[in-house]
Amino acid sequence: QLHLEESGPGLAKPSETLSLTCTVSGAADNIGTYYWGWIRQSPGKALEWIGSVYNSGITFYNPSFKSRATISADTSKSQFFLQLSSVTVADTAVYYCVRGGDGSAVFMGRLAYWGQGTLVLVSS
Amino acid sequence: EVVVTQSPATLSLSPGERATLSCRASQSLTTEYLSWYQHKPGQAPRLLVYGISTRATGVPDRFSGSGSGRDFTLTISSLQPEDSALYYCQQDYNFVLTFGGGTKVEI
Repeated sequence: QLHLEESGPGLAKPSETLSLTCTVSGAADNIGTYYWGWIRQSPGKALEWIGSVYNSGITFYNPSFKSRATISADTSKSQFFLQLSSVTVADTAVYYCVRGGDGSAVFMGRLAYWGQGTLVLVSS
Repeated sequence: EVVVTQSPATLSLSPGERATLSCRASQSLTTEYLSWYQHKPGQAPRLLVYGISTRATGVPDRFSGSGSGRDFTLTISSLQPEDSALYYCQQDYNFVLTFGGGTKVEI
């Protein structure tokens, strides 16, 4: 059974860069044939896709985050990463890492595996 | 970017009743790009249905998805107390992923 776990600071100051890591374990072969992404949920709001990485280097972003978000992956360590720059209080949210797709590269959604989520508070 | 709109915002029903949740896309979607998720407080969202109508592994058959073009539906045929949750539809056409605003199901 695949397991995803987010890690990183739970607190960031406005204007800083938020950095999160997702570690993938269990049945993590073929990691290059799926989409690995980040979703967040701000308090009282709906789920929001930030972006995804495919095959270690091909990235896709929500246009709302494109200038601030960087997603990368290190398949040798079964990890992928989110950096979100110039954070504000509006970036306070639970951040989830996810696996999407069906191994065919056609579908980025179909988010069958999720981490438990990590709460990030942006506050001075 | 395809915008997805869900309705109603809240659905209050009794156990055993049928729930019908709607999702409308701002443009017609190719068949396979629509999924549904269940989200309970304190838990990660759970994939229920993908490709409009295919249930994910372990999902009870009281959950079913349907629709085409711009209009899609998640039906819960006979509500159970454990079905109280937020439900989201999601599309990923053209490699941009968007979620609807969610429907809260109260039982």
